Amino acid sequence: AQSVTQPDIHITVSEGASLELRCNYSYGATPYLFWYVQSPGQGLQLLLKYFSGDTLVQGIKGFEAEFKRSQSSFNLRKPSVHWSDAAEYFCAVEITGGGNKLTFGTGTQLKVEL
Amino acid sequence: SAVISQKPSRDICQRGTSLTIQCQVDSQVTMMFWYRQQPGQSLTLIATANQGSEATYESGFVIDKFPISRPNLTFSTLTVSNMSPEDSSIYLCSVRTALGSPLHFGNGTRLTVT
Repeated sequence: AQSVTQPDIHITVSEGASLELRCNYSYGATPYLFWYVQSPGQGLQLLLKYFSGDTLVQGIKGFEAEFKRSQSSFNLRKPSVHWSDAAEYFCAVEITGGGNKLTFGTGTQLKVEL
Repeated sequence: SAVISQKPSRDICQRGTSLTIQCQVDSQVTMMFWYRQQPGQSLTLIATANQGSEATYESGFVIDKFPISRPNLTFSTLTVSNMSPEDSSIYLCSVRTALGSPLHFGNGTRLTVT
């Protein structure tokens, strides 16, 4: 069965520092890949997605992610973190032809120190 | 992207009662899904809401416990029946506006069962 792993449950960074959140998936073919952010008391907001093509994907709020097929990874990055980025981040995968269903990772809670 | 409204945003319910959650979208969508997010956990797909027919449930979820309706392309309801404290979760409606488009989420319904 497909799975999504976010190895870091909690990450703390200083405002202005760079950020990388890790995501690995386990599936034979290349799935569709997504990153979502959830602020406290809110639903999930789509940051970016990868379907095909350029492996470096730009998203909203200054985030980007890079798909690396050889590593089955889709890590999220931001060059300079803002205090408002503190939230929970979820990586998700969708099997192509798999009924349009997403499998989510367990999430990474980001704390930003001022 | 579609605007998704969920009601209620939160509720506190007594054990043994039922709660119906409504999801209204401002445009016709091809697919609607219901997810559950237990405290401190990731998202788990409950079912795909099918327009005009019975929902498709994931393993571990049954119609008697989580009956779902979808009378048209913009509206769906999820009922949490005979509730117990273990049902305390955030329930999220999500939609796809078209095949291959990303999944968008409502703000969720935060349910507490006492």
